[in-house]
Amino acid sequence: DGGITQSPKYLFRKEGQNVTLSCEQNLNHDAMYWYRQDPGQGLRLIYYSHIVNDFQKGDIAEGYSVSREKKESFPLTVTSAQKNPTAFYLCASSIMQGAPDTQYFGPGTRLTVL
Amino acid sequence: AQKITQTQPGMFVQEKEAVTLDCTYDTSDQSYGLFWYKQPSSGEMIFLIYQGSYDEQNATEGRYSLNFQKARKSANLVISASQLGDSAMYFCAMREAVGAAGNKLTFGGGTRVLVKP
Repeated sequence: DGGITQSPKYLFRKEGQNVTLSCEQNLNHDAMYWYRQDPGQGLRLIYYSHIVNDFQKGDIAEGYSVSREKKESFPLTVTSAQKNPTAFYLCASSIMQGAPDTQYFGPGTRLTVL
Repeated sequence: AQKITQTQPGMFVQEKEAVTLDCTYDTSDQSYGLFWYKQPSSGEMIFLIYQGSYDEQNATEGRYSLNFQKARKSANLVISASQLGDSAMYFCAMREAVGAAGNKLTFGGGTRVLVKP
């Protein structure tokens, strides 16, 4: 079945540690996105990538880093520079050609900093 | 900058009744798209319906319809014949074109819907 997978589902991190969240898609989509969601709020864009080996900062990129070495994969690293990393992280992908260019989401990773 | 406003933080609806979720947006673009997503307690975001700014007819998808009023910059979601499984958070989002034919979404704060039996 085609879709987007994210791992792990739950992640616990000690302060000062970097952690990497995985996002893989087999939809053959060109574009991939990372969002952060805080409790009771909407999604905010962290990073996005429209092509392999290229990515752009979103609205809240500080303290995060990404790579896009393969079309299928777009891992997100939450660095120790991120002051408040506890949140729900969602990865999405889209075909990126014309309208509507709907974004489809993975199941998410819930990160807790201890 | 684009902005999406959902003014209803939470709503109750009786099973089998219809419910309207409000969404207003602000953009200076002529070409844009509006999406509604459902987020159940599991956390996944489920795409429901899409309306393009040039679409002349309101979008419909099964029990979901979009009441698009371009002049008022509103794109309200109507869920007909509510079911218990409709209890979830609902988000309105707008597509913004960014360089090299790419897009990104801006999301509203969401509306929580609870369907009562």
